[in-house]
Amino acid sequence: SYELSQPPSVSVSPGQTASITCSGNKLGDKYASWYQQKPGQSPVLVIYRDTDRPSGIPERFSGSNSGNTATLTISGTQAMDEADYYCQAWDSSHVVFGGGTKLTVL
Amino acid sequence: QVQLQESGPGLVKPSQTLSLTCTVSGDSISSGAYYWSWIRQHPGKGLEWIGYIYYSGRTYYNPSLQSRVSISVDTSRNQFSLKVTSVTAADTAVYYCARLEDSPDWYFDVWGRGTLATVSS
Repeated sequence: SYELSQPPSVSVSPGQTASITCSGNKLGDKYASWYQQKPGQSPVLVIYRDTDRPSGIPERFSGSNSGNTATLTISGTQAMDEADYYCQAWDSSHVVFGGGTKLTVL
Repeated sequence: QVQLQESGPGLVKPSQTLSLTCTVSGDSISSGAYYWSWIRQHPGKGLEWIGYIYYSGRTYYNPSLQSRVSISVDTSRNQFSLKVTSVTAADTAVYYCARLEDSPDWYFDVWGRGTLATVSS
C-alpha cells in the first residue's frame, strides 16, 4: 500500500520560513494536499492540487510537488501557524495521509 | 455555507457496533458532485482514512479496516453513515466526516467538527 512520510516535528522562529516535507514513491505524479490542525479543532485545508490555496488561506502558505517530495512552505511564519500539518494524496482509489508534522514557532 | 455534523453515541461497549451519522447541510449529496468520507483520529495521533461513498452507494474502504466497516448513504435525508463492528478500545477515536473533491484532485474541502467515540465497558 502507498505510504507518505513526514518529519515528526519542525521548528521555526517567528518571521522566518518553515518548510514541511512529505515523501512518497513518485508523489510528484499525484496531487498533494495539506491540512492544518490546531488542538481541539478539525483539520483545515490549506493547500490542494499541489499549489492552490482555498479562499481565506493566507498567501504565506504555498506548496510544491516534484519527484518523490511535496513541500508545504510557510513564509513569514506567525505564532498562529503553530499546529499539526498533514499531507494527503490519493492512490488506487484509496486516500492516504502522512503521519503529521508538529510545527513549533519559537 | 456547507456544513457537516456528526452524531451518534459517545460510548460503545467492546464487541458491539459503533454507528455514526453525518448530516450535510448547504449541499446535496445526490448532486453527485462530491464523495463523502469518514476519517478518524486516535487520541494524540494522526489522521486515518476510513472510507468514502458516492451518492449512488459505491464505496471504497481502507484495506486495514475493510472487514469491520461499512458506509451507507440516505439521499432523502442528506445523510451518510458509518458502522464499525466488533469494536475494541483501539477504535476509541474522534471520528470526522468530510466532503471529498474527486478526480483528479482528491482532497477534503469541508470537515465536520468531529465526535469522540469511546469504547469501554
